[in-house]
Amino acid sequence: KNQVEQSPQSLIILEGKNCTLQCNYTVSPFSNLRWYKQDTGRGPVSLTIMTFSENTKSNGRYTATLDADTKQSSLHITASQLSDSASYICVVSPDATNKLIFGTGTLLAVQP
Amino acid sequence: DTGVSQDPRHKITKRGQNVTFRCDPISEHNRLYWYRQTLGQGPEFLTYFQNEAQLEKSRLLSDRFSAERPKGSFSTLEIQRTEQGDSAMYLCASSLALIAGGPGTDTQYFGPGTRLTVL
Repeated sequence: KNQVEQSPQSLIILEGKNCTLQCNYTVSPFSNLRWYKQDTGRGPVSLTIMTFSENTKSNGRYTATLDADTKQSSLHITASQLSDSASYICVVSPDATNKLIFGTGTLLAVQP
Repeated sequence: DTGVSQDPRHKITKRGQNVTFRCDPISEHNRLYWYRQTLGQGPEFLTYFQNEAQLEKSRLLSDRFSAERPKGSFSTLEIQRTEQGDSAMYLCASSLALIAGGPGTDTQYFGPGTRLTVL
């Protein structure tokens, strides 16, 4: 069964600190992996997209890594801000089907 | 605002009633997707369109669900004889695929969603 698992489920950090979120997937075949940010009550917003040949992708203070051999990805957030408080969802797209398989997300709370 | 819009934002209905949601994608986007998200879970794929053609449907999309995109622009999702288990956020996303049937690396832009509550 195609699955995307994330850890931790929730995380609280202080403003200005860094954090790393983890994603493991068992989706096969594999086309690409995405990280989305979802604020409460809103639709997800794309942060990064990586194909199997890419190891890392950055978007401002967000840096995603991908190890297609071990089927693991991480999202590193640098110098966190209060506005980073949201759910971060790891999403995998199987090859050529164009649908997205979402993880359950990591709920991040950044406190002052 | 040139983003994806959805209407209504909230819908409360009684069990057994029919509901219809509308999604207006970003202009010129040829792909449109519907997802369902329950509380505390990530979105689940329901169906997607390439222009007006419905190319894939999830097994989550029972016979009570139907989606259309008649002119390749806006789309509607109808749920007939709603059940309490249908209560969820229904998300629409659109993307521009430069290669028809390609591997799906196009960025999907999500709308704000329609929150359905079935009493």
